[in-house]
Order: sequence, then structure tokens, then C-alpha cells
Amino acid sequence: NAGVTQTPKFQVLKTGQSMTLQCAQDMNHEYMSWYRQDPGMGLRLIHYSVGAGITDQGEVPNGYNVSRSTTEDFPLRLLSAAPSQTSVYFCASIPTGHYTDTQYFGPGTRLTVL
Amino acid sequence: KQEVTQIPAALSVPEGENLVLNCSFTDSAIYNLQWFRQDPGKGLTSLLLIQSSQREQTSGRLNASLDKSSGRSTLYIAASQPGDSATYLCAVTGSSNTGKLIFGQGTTLQVKP
Repeated sequence: NAGVTQTPKFQVLKTGQSMTLQCAQDMNHEYMSWYRQDPGMGLRLIHYSVGAGITDQGEVPNGYNVSRSTTEDFPLRLLSAAPSQTSVYFCASIPTGHYTDTQYFGPGTRLTVL
Repeated sequence: KQEVTQIPAALSVPEGENLVLNCSFTDSAIYNLQWFRQDPGKGLTSLLLIQSSQREQTSGRLNASLDKSSGRSTLYIAASQPGDSATYLCAVTGSSNTGKLIFGQGTTLQVKP
């Protein structure tokens, strides 16, 4: 298994541009989530999904959209990038109904918005 | 609102020393607590997960304890090695058990040879 994969690893955007951060997992996990990590602030939950077709907001959802059309993929969309969205983004997954299990994290995408 | 705090923010120790990392949380109604390791430029790797009904978990040289009533957890690293140098993050899952993690800011550990 490749686990949780994220693309791209690095991205530079200009203010106002849009882009999609890709996240995929091959472990048949139903639950997937997106976090952002900023210096001195730990990780904060952006959006999460408990299965295909079901998504919900986390702590810091503004400026981000998600959809979940398949179990494997959970893309994060920035519609109009802002400098405040400069951060490192992590995708994570856990098996369905196994919230007692540890979460599997991807390697992250480092995004800079100029 | 649940808040998780880790102290100290950074720690430097000589190789071989035993050390303790601290994590505190404001709401004792948690489902579990996890300790993660993060190497520079990398993702998070789970080290230990403690269920709310448990007091501690051990893996090799690592031991994590949980005192839910006082809102505290510690990660004990025995006989530290340079390879232990990394950032250590603790995170809690709320009692509603939705899978959402609330993270502390992390402790960056440097173990000097």
C-alpha cells in the first residue's frame, strides 16, 4: 500500500489564483480529513469526510471547498488564494468506525501565496 | 472549546538522557489522546494512542501516560538518541468521537551526540 499520498509537494500561487490540492489513499478508509499547519499553531482541521458524498466543516473552513466522489480521493480546492492561506497542508485518513485507531497522515503540501 | 498546550516549545538534551514532554488539555471529556512525531519537512507518524479509559501506553523506549481528570499527558523518552530529534505533537479526540483531532503546538526536541 502507498498509504496516503498528496500532490503537489510544493506550490507557489499568486493572490487570487485557484488550485486543487490532491489527496488519495489506497487503504479503503472511509474517513478522510484536511489539516493546515502554521508555525506556532499546531495543526487545525479544515474539512473532513466520513464517506463518499459526505463532507463537513472543521475549525477553519473559510476559503476552502471539498468534495468526495470516491472513497480513495479527497481533493481540497482553493477558489481564490490569499496570503493567509500560506501554510503546510496535510491530509489524513482512518478506517470506518475505527475512530479509536490512529490516523494516517500524508507527507504534506507546502503552499506559498504571494 | 478544547485547547491543547505543550510545554516546553523546544528542548535540547545530551544523548542518553531520559526526558519528559508535557501536554495539557482544558476539557477532560476526551475519547483518546495521541502522540505523533514529525520530522522536518515530513508528515506525522503516530507513536502512541491512549484511550480515555487507559492510564498509559508503552512502545519500546516510549511511555505515554494520561490523567484525564487533571487534563494532562506526558511522553517519557528513555535513553534519548540523536535519532529522536524531531517535533512531538499531542492531539486529543473529543468525547463525541468524530475523528477530529485537536493538536497542541508541539515540542521540538534536539538530542545532541
